Amino acid sequence: DADVTQTPRNRITKTGKRIMLECSQTKGHDRMYWYRQDPGLGLRLIYYSFDVKDINKGEISDGYSVSRQAQAKFSLSLESAIPNQTALYFCATSDPQVSYEQYFGPGTRLTVT
Amino acid sequence: AQTVTQSQPEMSVQEAETVTLSCTYDTSESDYYLFWYKQPPSRQMILVIRQEAYKQQNATENRFSVNFQKAAKSFSLKISDSQLGDAAMYFCAFLPWNTGNQFYFGTGTSLTVIP
Repeated sequence: DADVTQTPRNRITKTGKRIMLECSQTKGHDRMYWYRQDPGLGLRLIYYSFDVKDINKGEISDGYSVSRQAQAKFSLSLESAIPNQTALYFCATSDPQVSYEQYFGPGTRLTVT
Repeated sequence: AQTVTQSQPEMSVQEAETVTLSCTYDTSESDYYLFWYKQPPSRQMILVIRQEAYKQQNATENRFSVNFQKAAKSFSLKISDSQLGDAAMYFCAFLPWNTGNQFYFGTGTSLTVIP
């Protein structure tokens, strides 16, 4: 089974709709991250969390919110989706006590029409 | 501010040949990690190789090796004996040691392997 899972894998939604992307991990890592990937722009950090009570904005947090429900779960919400939020979204985890490597989920392809 | 630059949006290589992907970064940090990630068509991000800035020896992982030049802030990836399965998008990433919280990614290089 995958260590980092994301649901849904693909989603098409309409402008103005609220949508939640979910991430779960079984790696036992405290640190979790949300990125978006756009062609030609690489991956950009949206939010990150070092533990359940620690949430931080990343480079491009406007229009997004997050919830860290438990150590293993980190959700990303788009309160009112807009077309320029169409992108590939990745969740990642890390444990700096072991390695600074980030472990990525399979990604969610989100299309806002 | 930290920036990572991959100046080659696309590269191609003949199967069994060697290719080098370039990456430069800009930082005032002295301690950091550098990474190369591979993203095949499945879109899964896979770690290829990592380098700690304090280590002078270049990292190697089987057919993958890096040329790390700290003074020049350069971190290139060499793929030897290229295989069809190496075709993917490759991302260079930088992680400053002091903060340890945010990866900075380059814009990626799309590698095509020609049979």
